[in-house]
Amino acid sequence: SQQGEEDPQALSIQEGENATMNCSYKTSINNLQWYRQNSGRGLVHLILIRSNEREKHSGRLRVTLDTSKKSSSLLITASRAADTASYFCATDGSGGYQKVTFGTGTKLQVIP
Amino acid sequence: EAGVAQSPRYKIIEKRQSVAFWCNPISGHATLYWYQQILGQGPKLLIQFQNNGVVDDSQLPKDRFSAERLKGVDSTLKIQPAKLEDSAVYLCASSLGGAFLTYSSYNEQFFGPGTRLTVL
Repeated sequence: SQQGEEDPQALSIQEGENATMNCSYKTSINNLQWYRQNSGRGLVHLILIRSNEREKHSGRLRVTLDTSKKSSSLLITASRAADTASYFCATDGSGGYQKVTFGTGTKLQVIP
Repeated sequence: EAGVAQSPRYKIIEKRQSVAFWCNPISGHATLYWYQQILGQGPKLLIQFQNNGVVDDSQLPKDRFSAERLKGVDSTLKIQPAKLEDSAVYLCASSLGGAFLTYSSYNEQFFGPGTRLTVL
């Protein structure tokens, strides 16, 4: 079964607006990662946040993690048409073996 | 630095036929992953290798799927015989760290372009 569930399933915004997508998971984790997938570049790693971190930034990306609610959010600021893609969260279980499980994804469309 | 290489990029076969996919990870990466991604879904882990040993193959349909990573470098995933529901994109990824490391920078996965399989 999928560990992560993204919400919403699909999102359509105008260029320049911010996009927020959420990920919920079920069991304790060590790390949570966000990936982007589009037809041009395939699956690409965006950012990793550890379970002891609450917020992380990378360029126009801001990720938050709330381990008490078992949820994470990815904010893309000042969106561009090139941000059009599917976004997945990936979690690994806590403990010795770091099996990574991908969520169902949010499909983002940025309209120029 | 060269990325993860996969071949072929596309494959069309009839059900009950066999097919094989090849993956060459980034040099020096200890861990190699094979994922199946059905249209509209997230990638599903089929098998994970650390060097040439299997770490996890709990979701690999072993009656028809097999994978090997000889010499701890490149890997082959085989389906024999294929079913209609095997139509998907098969992704290979590699990461620097081993499966039992928690150092975050080692866990980033680098993905290949994938092989799109269509079973008719």
